[in-house]
Amino acid sequence: GENVEQHPSTLSVQEGDSAVIKCTYSDSASNYFPWYKQELGKRPQLIIDIRSNVGEKKDQRIAVTLNKTAKHFSLHITETQPEDSAVYFCAATSSNYQLIWGAGTKLIIKP
Amino acid sequence: GAGVSQSPSNKVTEKGKDVELRCDPISGHTALYWYRQSLGQGLEFLIYFQGNSAPDKSGLPSDRFSAERTGGSVSTLTIQRTQQEDSAVYLCASSLARGLGGNTEAFFGQGTRLTVV
Repeated sequence: GENVEQHPSTLSVQEGDSAVIKCTYSDSASNYFPWYKQELGKRPQLIIDIRSNVGEKKDQRIAVTLNKTAKHFSLHITETQPEDSAVYFCAATSSNYQLIWGAGTKLIIKP
Repeated sequence: GAGVSQSPSNKVTEKGKDVELRCDPISGHTALYWYRQSLGQGLEFLIYFQGNSAPDKSGLPSDRFSAERTGGSVSTLTIQRTQQEDSAVYLCASSLARGLGGNTEAFFGQGTRLTVV
């Protein structure tokens, strides 16, 4: 079945710098790759997603890139701000449409 | 309702008692997931429903855990003979898994915080 690996588990960056979180997946049939942000004590919420027919997608300070050949996708956050501090989860779909999740990355923005 | 609703939001139970957690997904969403999340940890997958059937229940930690979904809508997660290690936040999510283009966004409920004393 599908397996999703996410790195790093913890990422600490200086405010204003960029942050990159990477995920790899195993099922070449996967066609949907969302990223979720979970703030402390709150539920995970979608911040950006990408489909397999697109290589890159941007939304203001966040972007996601997809390399289907290598089976990996990445989340990029530029000009990081304190409110970006959270846990970020990636996911990929499996053959039965199930979402398979990465283990999460705790992003810490240092002032 | 407009979103995924879970009840109760908090539950304190004595060790050995049974508990039932409820999830009301967004209307029309065919896919429904249950996850368990301990403090500071990731999403531990429990079970995935597509309609009323569960193609993947591999995450249920023991036979004390069971879940059902009726009418392609409401789901209940039942934990029998609760143990202290069952204490966690139980999250439900739903999505339109077979929409145009395949999967769409999964929406999470606010969770049920279960404390076994």
